[in-house]
Amino acid sequence: DIQLTQSPSFLSASVGDRVTITCRASQGISSYLAWYQQKPGKAPKLLIYFVSTLQSGVPSRFSGSGSGTEFTLTISSLQPEDFATYYCQHPDIYQLTFGGGTKVEIK
Amino acid sequence: EEQLLESGGGLVQPGGSLRLSCAASGFTFSSYAMSWVRQAPGKGLEWISTISSSGGSTYYPDSMKGRFTISRDNSRNTLYLQMNSLRAEDTALYYCAKDQSWIQNLNWFDPWGQGTLVTVSS
Repeated sequence: DIQLTQSPSFLSASVGDRVTITCRASQGISSYLAWYQQKPGKAPKLLIYFVSTLQSGVPSRFSGSGSGTEFTLTISSLQPEDFATYYCQHPDIYQLTFGGGTKVEIK
Repeated sequence: EEQLLESGGGLVQPGGSLRLSCAASGFTFSSYAMSWVRQAPGKGLEWISTISSSGGSTYYPDSMKGRFTISRDNSRNTLYLQMNSLRAEDTALYYCAKDQSWIQNLNWFDPWGQGTLVTVSS
C-alpha cells in the first residue's frame, strides 16, 4: 500500500507569508497527486490535480510541484481565507489514499 | 451548479446497519464515477469506495471490503452506501463526492457534499 506523509502536520504563519507543505509518497506515484483544502466545518475542496494543474477558480497564489515521491504545495502569499487544513491525495483507484493533513493556522 | 446532498446518517448501535444516500443535481449524474469518503471527528480523510458511472464496477480499499457496499441509481441521480456490522470506529462524517477525472482509474473529487454524520454507540 502507498502511504502519503505530509509535513509539517501543523504550521503557524502570518498573512503575506510564503508557505510550503510537503507530501512524501512511500513509493513512486509519477505525477498522480492532488491537493485539497478543508476549512473548519466545511467539505474539502479540490485545489490541484496532476501535481500542478489548478482547479478552475483556484487563485494563482496556489501552486504545486514535484514528481515521483516528493511533492509540494506552495501558497505564495498567504491570505486570511487560506487558513485551513490541506490534504494531498494519490488518485489511483487501486491505491487511493490521502495524506494525514497539514493545518495552517494564524500566527 | 453541481450539488451533492447526503442523508441517512444518525445514531446506530454497534453491530447495526445504515444506508446513506447522496442526491446529485446540476450535472449528468450517469456520466461520472462517484465516491464515498469519511472523516472521523478531528481526523483526516479516509476513502471508502468508488463506483463507476454505469455502476458496473466498484472499488474499495481492503480495510472497507466486506462491510460496506456502494451502489447507485442513475434514474434517481442517487448514490448509496450500505454499511453493515457497524463499529464505534466507524463514527465519522460521511461525504459523497463526484469524480472529476476524465482518466480511467484516476479519481480526484469535486465537488463534495456537506456530509452526513454517523455515530455508532450503545
